Amino acid sequence: EPEVTQTPSHQVTQMGQEVILRCVPISNHLYFYWYRQILGQKVEFLVSFYNNEISEKSEIFDDQFSVERPDGSNFTLKIRSTKLEDSAMYFCASRDRGYRSNQPQHFGDGTRLSIL
Amino acid sequence: SQQGEEDPQALSIQEGENATMNCSYKTSINNLQWYRQNSGRGLVHLILIRSNEREKHSGRLRVTLDTSKKSSSLLITASRAADTASYFCATDSPQAAGNKLTFGGGTRVLVKP
Repeated sequence: EPEVTQTPSHQVTQMGQEVILRCVPISNHLYFYWYRQILGQKVEFLVSFYNNEISEKSEIFDDQFSVERPDGSNFTLKIRSTKLEDSAMYFCASRDRGYRSNQPQHFGDGTRLSIL
Repeated sequence: SQQGEEDPQALSIQEGENATMNCSYKTSINNLQWYRQNSGRGLVHLILIRSNEREKHSGRLRVTLDTSKKSSSLLITASRAADTASYFCATDSPQAAGNKLTFGGGTRVLVKP
């Protein structure tokens, strides 16, 4: 069964450094998402992306965050200058075309980001 | 409570028993989805129920939706040790331009062999 893949599985970065989290969505999907889950807390929406532009973003997704679909397969999340509070599990998800009511989002296994 | 709140927060049952967990939400929805998360892993989609549906089955899973009460339940029948995980409901609201999901806090289920 096709799946969303994320790399790396664990990223350790010094505070203030840039980090890029990578995702390969399911190949025929058109809608892409990033979520994060701070340890012990709820999964929180960050951003949705469709047709090469952001559809919606949350308050968390400030100007330190950016997303890109540099080619036909990858979908990346960049954090320009990481803070301690960015430590979390980051999940990528994708959704197929079709009427939104019927389409689930499929998630990757996540990247655990640890900021030191 | 916030959009997508599950109860109970934790549930411990014996293998073979049924597990029931509930989810409440506040806004109108396009659909409600249930996900499973094993410790430290990603979210696995279990079942999607549309706002115009009342009940849905998938294998040992049964989901109900009551839009008048803004609540849903997930029943796992004949539980197995492998069902040990956290279960989350997530809602897709028509107000969300990008079809974002809003997750609840989850129910941690422990199935004892």
